[in-house]
Amino acid sequence: DAGITQSPRYKITETGRQVTLMCHQTWSHSYMFWYRQDLGHGLRLIYYSAAADITDKGEVPDGYVVSRSKTENFPLTLESATRSQTSVYFCASSHRDAGTSGNTGELFFGEGSRLTVL
Amino acid sequence: AQSVSQHNHHVILSEAASLELGCNYSYGGTVNLFWYVQYPGQHLQLLLKYFSGDPLVKGIKGFEAEFIKSKFSFNLRKPSVQWSDTAEYFCAVNEGRGGSYIPTFGRGTSLIVHP
Repeated sequence: DAGITQSPRYKITETGRQVTLMCHQTWSHSYMFWYRQDLGHGLRLIYYSAAADITDKGEVPDGYVVSRSKTENFPLTLESATRSQTSVYFCASSHRDAGTSGNTGELFFGEGSRLTVL
Repeated sequence: AQSVSQHNHHVILSEAASLELGCNYSYGGTVNLFWYVQYPGQHLQLLLKYFSGDPLVKGIKGFEAEFIKSKFSFNLRKPSVQWSDTAEYFCAVNEGRGGSYIPTFGRGTSLIVHP
């Protein structure tokens, strides 16, 4: 079944290491998002992308890097992991609104990637 | 920037009780509104949405929500909850950014339903 897949689902790493979380969608949705979910904070937007090669910062972008060379992939890289980046990371996508140049805002989520930084 | 407030962080109910979860937002313009549900150990999925039209929207599993523009609110309701409704519930509101709609989420409400 088509959808969004995230990998790895679980990752343990050490402070200072680089980590990349992968996100792949098969719907050809234009928009893709990365959120982190932390107790007491709900979901906070890290980065989003409106199309291939177009990315923009969200609420909490520091310490993260994204790229989008292909529509279907939106990897998230932690260049030098810190303990504060221990979290559950959700990738999501959104399709373009037929009546506007933007997206509908309705999100389709992946299963999440649980990252622990020791 | 947009802010979304969910006033109830933890709700505990018995089966068959009625549910109402509050959601208020700050954006004064045109909004798209959503409620998402996250069952234990699962990803978020859409419960219901409001784009325009009838302010009372119905979603899956007997949930409904009412958009009250004057109160900047989009409260979620269910007349009779079930044990299987135990989950985390998130309200989300779209904010327009240069033609893109970027959802801002509330902090979530944890609902526990006792059988």
